[in-house]
Amino acid sequence: KAGVTQTPRYLIKTRGQQVTLSCSPISGHRSVSWYQQTPGQGLQFLFEYFSETQRNKGNFPGRFSGRQFSNSRSEMNVSTLELGDSALYLCASSLISRKSETQYFGPGTRLLVL
Amino acid sequence: AQTVTQSQPEMSVQEAETVTLSCTYDTSESDYYLFWYKQPPSRQMILVIRQEAYKQQNATENRFSVNFQKAAKSFSLKISDSQLGDAAMYFCAYRRGNNDMRFGAGTRLTVKP
Repeated sequence: KAGVTQTPRYLIKTRGQQVTLSCSPISGHRSVSWYQQTPGQGLQFLFEYFSETQRNKGNFPGRFSGRQFSNSRSEMNVSTLELGDSALYLCASSLISRKSETQYFGPGTRLLVL
Repeated sequence: AQTVTQSQPEMSVQEAETVTLSCTYDTSESDYYLFWYKQPPSRQMILVIRQEAYKQQNATENRFSVNFQKAAKSFSLKISDSQLGDAAMYFCAYRRGNNDMRFGAGTRLTVKP
């Protein structure tokens, strides 16, 4: 099976712009989680989607949003970009949304905000 | 709140030697899962090993094993016969119920030839 794919791999944006990142989970996986990784804050949970419904949400401002489509593919959107949004955004998929489920990570999208 | 602490920002080990990475966590729950993930310089996170809290037996995966001390809330990772390919950031993670996965700050492991 193909692994988790994320597009684009690299992005450069300027402050105030908005950005949309995409994640395609492993075939058959219905749960998708998003994480932000920065040197200062480490890995922080953004949100999790399961069967097109947001199951959990991390402590991020409303500028960060996401959605999941019927084929389990997910997108996250960041509006009104700030310099501090520069990070590696990781997507992870699992079969279902349960604590026992292993999450499989994609390669990430590196976002640079200038 | 559940927190995960990795007290060793960096560790180094000689090739073929054994190294142990530490992880402690804070929880009032009794049923949860613990994970160790590896993130090589290429950035793709890979699951190394996982442990179910209700299982007394420590998980092992080839050269990787854990020392799970539930009462002490400790979950260390032992890498035996270290190889150059083991060089990476290692993250300890915790998950309970339907909550999100919580990660530690990571330990950067260097393997010296």
